[in-house]
This record gives sequence, structure tokens and C-alpha cells, in this order.
Amino acid sequence: HLQLQESGPGLVKPSETLSLTCTVSGGSISSSSYYWGWIRQPPGKGLEWIGSVYFSGFTYYNPSLKSRLTISVDTSKNQFSLRLSSVTAADTAVYYCARHSVTTGLYWGQGTLVTVSS
Amino acid sequence: SYVLTQPPSVSVAPGQTARITCGGNNIGSTSVHWYHQRPGQAPVLVVYDDGDRPSGIPKRFSGSNSGNTATLTISRVEAGDEADYYCQMWDTTSDHVVFGGGTKLTVL
Repeated sequence: HLQLQESGPGLVKPSETLSLTCTVSGGSISSSSYYWGWIRQPPGKGLEWIGSVYFSGFTYYNPSLKSRLTISVDTSKNQFSLRLSSVTAADTAVYYCARHSVTTGLYWGQGTLVTVSS
Repeated sequence: SYVLTQPPSVSVAPGQTARITCGGNNIGSTSVHWYHQRPGQAPVLVVYDDGDRPSGIPKRFSGSNSGNTATLTISRVEAGDEADYYCQMWDTTSDHVVFGGGTKLTVL
């Protein structure tokens, strides 16, 4: 039974870097069939794709976030991570990690709320 | 960038059929997925690859995709179906995940 669990600070100060990790259990992050992605949802708003990583380390980024974004994968720990620099209040959101492919859709973690505030 | 367009809201009486559309340029040539999301919860996949259902999703949920419109159909709507619904696809031109803006389904 696949499970994805987000972890990281729930509060980040403006101008600092938001860092989250997604731990995958019940499946291998080294599978060639899937991508591993991050999605966020600001309070009361819709879903926004942040970016995704393949097990090889190849990344796909939302152009609107690309200049501040790093997504990486650690196959030895079955984890992948998100780093978003120079955050502002507009980055306050629930952040989800997910497994996805072109034809199977997204399988989601439970999400974690990150608030940007001093 | 590719845009998916959903109606902001759809209302339906219990027992009736709800249809939620997702518009996009030649969307029929892609694989479209649908999620429902209840308040405070993570999205849940209800239809994948245009019309397939994950295990545990009732047969009342079905999907179709042709031309410039994909459609999620919910038959015999129940009060528990009230949620936000999102369509999603992978844009192969840009290698990006794309979401629709979401549709709030209200059961009258």
C-alpha cells in the first residue's frame, strides 16, 4: 500500500527558504514508471503544480517558480525534496507531494500547511 | 502554456446526474484525470485516463474525453458527492502538469 508523507517546518520567515521532504513507503521511488511531484494550494484557492522529478534526477518545473525552485531525489532514502527560496506571504499554502504518470493521474500525500510569516 | 477551463460551480438535486466539463485545445488527444476534494482533505483520484475508475470509486463516477472537452459524469448524485472537482492532464509539449481551476459541486 503506497504512502507519501510530507515533512518540514510549518512556519517560514519571509525571504527565507522553504524546505520540505516527501518520504515514500510501500513503493520504490526508483520505479521508471512514475514521476514524483509537488503541488500546492493556497487557502481558499485551487491547485498549482510546482514541479516534478524523475528517479534519474531529471526535473520539470513550473515556469512561474523556476527561478526560486529546486526539487531533488534521494533514491537511497526513498525520498524527494522541495526547496523554494525567497518566500513571501504568497507562498503560504498546503503543500502536497504526489506520485504521477501521464496515464494514471496523481496519488497524493495528506499535505502539510506552510505559513510564511515573521 | 496549456489552459484547462472548468465552470466555477455546478448544482444538482440528489438522485440527478451532474456533469462537470473541462475544456482545452484538442484535449481529446490527451489523457485526462479527475479528482474530488472535500474541505480540509487532500484531493482523491476518482477517474483516470479519461474514463477509468480507481478501486473503491463507485460506478456512478464516469468520464469521457473528445475534441476540446472532457466531462466527468456523476450519476445518482448523493449529498456526500458535494466537493470541489479538478481536472488534470500532462502537457506533453511543455512537460508540465496542468490543473483546471476547479468546480464546486453543490447538492441541493
